[in-house]
Amino acid sequence: DVKVTQSSRYLVKRTGEKVFLECVQDMDHENMFWYRQDPGLGLRLIYFSYDVKMKEKGDIPEGYSVSREKKERFSLILESASTNQTSMYLCASTLLAGSETQYFGPGTRLLVL
Amino acid sequence: RKEVEQDPGPFNVPEGATVAFNCTYSNSASQSFFWYRQDCRKEPKLLMSVYSSGNEDGRFTAQLNRASQYISLLIRDSKLSDSATYLCAVNGPNDYKLSFGAGTTVTVRA
Repeated sequence: DVKVTQSSRYLVKRTGEKVFLECVQDMDHENMFWYRQDPGLGLRLIYFSYDVKMKEKGDIPEGYSVSREKKERFSLILESASTNQTSMYLCASTLLAGSETQYFGPGTRLLVL
Repeated sequence: RKEVEQDPGPFNVPEGATVAFNCTYSNSASQSFFWYRQDCRKEPKLLMSVYSSGNEDGRFTAQLNRASQYISLLIRDSKLSDSATYLCAVNGPNDYKLSFGAGTTVTVRA
């Protein structure tokens, strides 16, 4: 079974803090994704990566950056957290391009005060 | 216009009922279609892929209507355990990413 893990299930941070969300997958997948999920808005893509050190902006990259130094690990960075970044953050991975099933991690519920 | 739109529901149905709902997509070049299921406070998990010819998996039937640009999901003989939010996902050709709908919530009552 594919396993995608995220470093924290719940996180509380203060406005202006730098926040790191880590995601690790154990199936040698090429593609990894970061989404945020908000009520009524569904899943929105922040960034994705199709190879080590490669990254592409998704639909809402503002205020975020990412890092993929190793194939199995994809990190999401909030450079200076703001209250409007309070959300559920979901990481996903897939072996091939977008036509394949995405496997999601359990999510990190981030609260920015 | 959103790329993928769903009726948010909720659809409240009794056990044993049939429930069906649609998802419309805007990109006529989209090639891959999926239904994901998301339980409360859990991550989405793939329920089924949607093929051009339609497909069935037990009590679940998915259909694709390219002419009208929508996919549908039908659940027969609903169980309490079917209560969840159902997300549709669509991607286009040569596209790494999926676009997700906001989800349709189904609640099955005893």
